[in-house]
Amino acid sequence: EAQVTQNPRYLITVTGKKLTVTCSQNMNHEYMSWYRQDPGLGLRQIYYSMNVEVTDKGDVPEGYKVSRKEKRNFPLILESPSPNQTSLYFCASFNPNRVQGYGYTFGSGTRLTVV
Amino acid sequence: GQNIDQPTEMTATEGAIVQINCTYQTSGFNGLFWYQQHAGEAPTFLSYNVLDGLEEKGRFSSFLSRSKGYSYLLLKELQMKDSASYLCAVRVVPSGAGSYQLTFGKGTKLSVIP
Repeated sequence: EAQVTQNPRYLITVTGKKLTVTCSQNMNHEYMSWYRQDPGLGLRQIYYSMNVEVTDKGDVPEGYKVSRKEKRNFPLILESPSPNQTSLYFCASFNPNRVQGYGYTFGSGTRLTVV
Repeated sequence: GQNIDQPTEMTATEGAIVQINCTYQTSGFNGLFWYQQHAGEAPTFLSYNVLDGLEEKGRFSSFLSRSKGYSYLLLKELQMKDSASYLCAVRVVPSGAGSYQLTFGKGTKLSVIP
């Protein structure tokens, strides 16, 4: 089954403790992206990657890092989490070579709470 | 940047028809998507428009006018399970960047009442 897998689904952590949210897709998609979703603000892009070793900042990259060492994985790293990073996070992937895109495939989400 | 506007909330009656509008201002337009999102869940793809006109898919239709920067999602024969947020998203190819950006509106929360 074609899917994007995020882990963990839920995470409660303390301020300053480094964490990684993993994202993996099995569709051989070149493009992957991370979003955060907050009430009243909608989905905002954090980082995206057009291919292996190619990443770029989205609209809200501060406080986050990403890496793309292989096509299937795109982890999101919070080196020193702060309470304002409490949010619902989604990873997404898509194949830009599809003419009639079936859109982006989203992972199930990670609800992060930083206390 | 991109500016995408859609109503915050709408209410409609079961069995009725509802139209959710989306307006956008952007450069490098490369398509418009509609997604459905139930609370706490991932967005799921509904429709994609890149050319002007209407795309129909069962009870859902989506319309695009590129010259007006306008789209709508039409839901027919509303069912209770259609209560969800509907997200309008615009894909752009930034000039010279060779990449894609997908920017979402803040979503329209639709409540279907009996």
